[in-house]
Amino acid sequence: KAGVTQTPRYLIKTRGQQVTLSCSPISGHRSVSWYQQTPGQGLQFLFEYFSETQRNKGNFPGRFSGRQFSNSRSEMNVSTLELGDSALYLCASSSETPGVTGELFFGEGSRLTVL
Amino acid sequence: AQTVTQSQPEMSVQEAETVTLSCTYDTSESNYYLFWYKQPPSRQMILVIRQEAYKQQNATENRFSVNFQKAAKSFSLKISDSQLGDTAMYFCALIQGGSEKLVFGKGTKLTVNP
Repeated sequence: KAGVTQTPRYLIKTRGQQVTLSCSPISGHRSVSWYQQTPGQGLQFLFEYFSETQRNKGNFPGRFSGRQFSNSRSEMNVSTLELGDSALYLCASSSETPGVTGELFFGEGSRLTVL
Repeated sequence: AQTVTQSQPEMSVQEAETVTLSCTYDTSESNYYLFWYKQPPSRQMILVIRQEAYKQQNATENRFSVNFQKAAKSFSLKISDSQLGDTAMYFCALIQGGSEKLVFGKGTKLTVNP
């Protein structure tokens, strides 16, 4: 069974640009969560999608958005990039609500560098 | 608000020895899960062990075990017979039952020395 797949693995952007990251969950998983990982702030919750609906959102500005498709694949978008957006973006999937199954399966992440 | 605190930024242990990583948490909920996740240098986060708050028995997975002290809100991870492959960042995390959001500690960097 394939794991959580994130693309691209690495990308470099400049300030003001926008970026789209993609996540394919484990087959059969309907919940996809996104986390931002930085050395200073650690791991912070961005948002969670279930059956194409955003059910929860972390404390991030509106420049951060996402969506989920009918096949459960998810994308997140960051517009008007700032230097502080440089981070590892992790996607995680779960068969049901993470707080019900008690487990998340993580991808390897997308490393975004903003210059 | 829920918080998770890991007070040991870095630790090291000799191969084959035992090491304990500390974690304390705070939540007002009675239904929650606690986790230890491992993030090796390759970056993929892997679940090490999970504890349901309603279970009094401490979880065990092979060489990994936890000491869950619910009243003290403490959740430490013990790694026995440490192996070189255990070298990684270890994150303690909490999720409220029924929630979508995992709350992580800052992590402990564990190095296993030969």
